[in-house]
Formats: sequence, structure tokens, C-alpha cells
Amino acid sequence: AQKVTQAQTEISVVEKEDVTLDCVYETRDTTYYLFWYKQPPSGELVFLIRRNSFDEQNEISGRYSWNFQKSTSSFNFTITASQVVDSAVYFCALSGYSGGGADGLTFGKGTHLIIQP
Amino acid sequence: NAGVTQTPKFQVLKTGQSMTLQCAQDMNHEYMSWYRQDPGMGLRLIHYSVGAGITDQGEVPNGYNVSRSTTEDFPLRLLSAAPSQTSVYFCASSWTGGQNEQYFGPGTRLTVT
Repeated sequence: AQKVTQAQTEISVVEKEDVTLDCVYETRDTTYYLFWYKQPPSGELVFLIRRNSFDEQNEISGRYSWNFQKSTSSFNFTITASQVVDSAVYFCALSGYSGGGADGLTFGKGTHLIIQP
Repeated sequence: NAGVTQTPKFQVLKTGQSMTLQCAQDMNHEYMSWYRQDPGMGLRLIHYSVGAGITDQGEVPNGYNVSRSTTEDFPLRLLSAAPSQTSVYFCASSWTGGQNEQYFGPGTRLTVT
């Protein structure tokens, strides 16, 4: 069975601070995919990043960066110089790949990020 | 290109009533799925489909039925609504499965009294 743990239920920081959202996963698949989604107060789900299990390179996109470490089964997400618009619930998700490619996503419970002005 | 659409946006049902949540996509995606989101629980997979005529159960399928007669549509049926089905429901689609980016609809907020 797959599992995604986001231990931080809620994080509150002041604008311009850096913040890291933790994600730890469990899977028996050797091939798998990791995702981060953002859910702003409006409620829609916004795709942020996808990573496959064979690509451990860290990625940076503007103020966002992701640190994937297979050794610790973690896929952490850092926002640099946070802004009020970053306030949202962030979900980490995992999809296994059993060959059929039909596995759905297993989501963590989400981290509610509050950026205070 | 509308992406993934869901109707209705809001719905209130009484216990025992039935209804269908509609989901459609215009991206010619083979894979479609339904999730429910409950406070503090993240999203959980209800049912999914890898193509027209093929459906399968996810993590929490009880109380829900699906069918996939066309590539575009993937309705979710509640045969006899229960208060435990009060939730926000999201439909999603992607090219071939969970390993691809999922495109989510705007959600349907369902309340069962």
C-alpha cells in the first residue's frame, strides 16, 4: 500500500520568509511519480510539479524549489521569499506504476500555509 | 478548450435520494477519475477509468457507481445518499493514468442531510 505523510498540518509565516513543506512517502514500487498540487482559497487544484523516481535532481522554478531524496523517501517543497498569494493548502501526492499505468494518486492530508503580511 | 467541467457546483440531498454528478473533458484524455475531499483527509480516489467501457474501484468506492460510455464523460452516481457522503467531489483526467499530470475540474460541493 502507498502512503503519503505531510506532518505539518498548518504553517504560518510572515511575508518574505522562506518556508519548507515536508512530504514523506511510502511505496513498494520501484517506479513511481511524485506530485505537488496547490489548492488556493478558491478551491481549485493547481498542478505544481511532477517527478519520477529515477530523477533525483532538485528543481527550481522561480521562488519554488523541490528537494527529492530517495534515501529518506522525501519530496520537500520550499518557497523562497514567500508572498501572501502563496497562502493555500498544498498537497503532496504519489502514483505507483505497476505496468498498467492505471494507478491513481495517493494524496497526503495537506499543509495549510498561511502567509501573513 | 474548456478542460474538465463538473456539474452541479453545489448540491443538497436528503438521505436516501439519488443523484448523478457530471464530469466531462474535451482534451481526449483516456484516463478519468473521481476523488472526494474531506476536511483534514486530503483527496481519496473513488473510481477511475482507463478508457471508454473500462472502470475500476479506487480506495473508497462504496456507495458510488460509475460508467464510461464515451471518452469525454465520466458520471458518478450516488444511488442512496448518506450523510457520510457529504464532501467535495473532484473529477480529474489525464492522458494515460496516475503517472501523468492530472487536470482537475472545479469540484462539486455535496451536502447530504
